[in-house]
Amino acid sequence: QQQVKQSPQSLIVQKGGISIINCAYENTAFDYFPWYQQFPGKGPALLIAIRPDVSEKKEGRFTISFNKSAKQFSLHIMDSQPGDSATYFCAAQGVGSNYKLTFGKGTLLTVNP
Amino acid sequence: DAGVIQSPRHEVTEMGQEVTLRCKPISGHDYLFWYRQTMMRGLELLIYFNNNVPIDDSGMPEDRFSAKMPNASFSTLKIQPSEPRDSAVYFCASTWGTDTQYFGPGTRLTVL
Repeated sequence: QQQVKQSPQSLIVQKGGISIINCAYENTAFDYFPWYQQFPGKGPALLIAIRPDVSEKKEGRFTISFNKSAKQFSLHIMDSQPGDSATYFCAAQGVGSNYKLTFGKGTLLTVNP
Repeated sequence: DAGVIQSPRHEVTEMGQEVTLRCKPISGHDYLFWYRQTMMRGLELLIYFNNNVPIDDSGMPEDRFSAKMPNASFSTLKIQPSEPRDSAVYFCASTWGTDTQYFGPGTRLTVL
């Protein structure tokens, strides 16, 4: 059972455009939703994260939008740059889960110059 | 700190051979996670430890896989015997008292 569904699988955006990646979850016990960024040949690294007590969190060009009732959250990358080209993973963590994360399958983002 | 260290970075072996992957977590971190990454299945959690004790190994695919953490600074993931379907990138990650997991660079395993 895939507990975190991520879409699209791949995304191509022009430089300066907005990249949007969506995730949906099923388990209402999840209470922490991070996004990880992975460059080729590297391990994933935390990009930004949100808890369900807020509907939006912004850090620079990266914004998470969170819809608790719909059990959905999304990553928006404003003014996308070629250096943002990477694979992005959404994830979810449950209360008392000992920091155990369930990951989406990832989105390969390509930003064309 | 050097971050999470994994070795080897690349491993090519033949079917049936034993493979041992190694991980050194960030000093002071008390949680250690082993993941497997493939195109088809994405990032899968195999097993994780807290204070060197295995907490959840429900993600370990079968008995051919085993993991140990003999001390706070070292963990191994062993596959015996290896099969071509085990080919993947294996990541180790660690954390301490926070929600952020710090991943190592991974070991790319190819089983011929």
